[in-house]
Amino acid sequence: ETGVTQTPRHLVMGMTNKKSLKCEQHLGHNAMYWYKQSAKKPLELMFVYSLEERVENNSVPSRFSPECPNSSHLFLHLHTLQPEDSALYLCASSRERTGDGGEQFFGPGTRLTVL
Amino acid sequence: AQSVSQHNHHVILSEAASLELGCNYSYGGTVNLFWYVQYPGQHLQLLLKYFSGDPLVKGIKGFEAEFIKSKFSFNLRKPSVQWSDTAEYFCAVNAPGTYKYIFGTGTRLKVLA
Repeated sequence: ETGVTQTPRHLVMGMTNKKSLKCEQHLGHNAMYWYKQSAKKPLELMFVYSLEERVENNSVPSRFSPECPNSSHLFLHLHTLQPEDSALYLCASSRERTGDGGEQFFGPGTRLTVL
Repeated sequence: AQSVSQHNHHVILSEAASLELGCNYSYGGTVNLFWYVQYPGQHLQLLLKYFSGDPLVKGIKGFEAEFIKSKFSFNLRKPSVQWSDTAEYFCAVNAPGTYKYIFGTGTRLKVLA
């Protein structure tokens, strides 16, 4: 499979659950990103990893915990979420290692609903 | 704080009409500028980008955008839209040398056949 894939595509969870979102890129890229997309709001950059090292962390609550075991995989571990965390979570990757602002390739997203 | 404003949230046009979507950003330094598009049921994908050089950049499917530094603007244009251009369009800014991308709220374009 090519491009950026995300699983699951839809997730419903209670506030006390623990779940994980998975992202995989098949493009040989060096940087991976997590974004949150809420209705009527801009995409919010959450985390960035470059060569498996976290390089950006935008004041995201600790109930979101990223993990990047290698340059092809990115996870977002979710714990004790709130209803306002319901949103579309997008994963993206880019070729550049040095933050040169290259094109980002996006996955289809995971639609998360927190009850 | 850095921000991107897209003034039109919803635009409805008839086929063959001309399109211009506004994008203004607030950032004092050099910027890289992007327009991304999301067609119904598809991923976000790059439409065009500006890094340096000619401020008029051309992208896929007949789209173009003009960077006007004095106005902090990067408006997207297409002379004649098609029904297949129905999509959501996002403007984004990146500060060179950083991984930080700032996106606008998006503009939903509907083209009537």
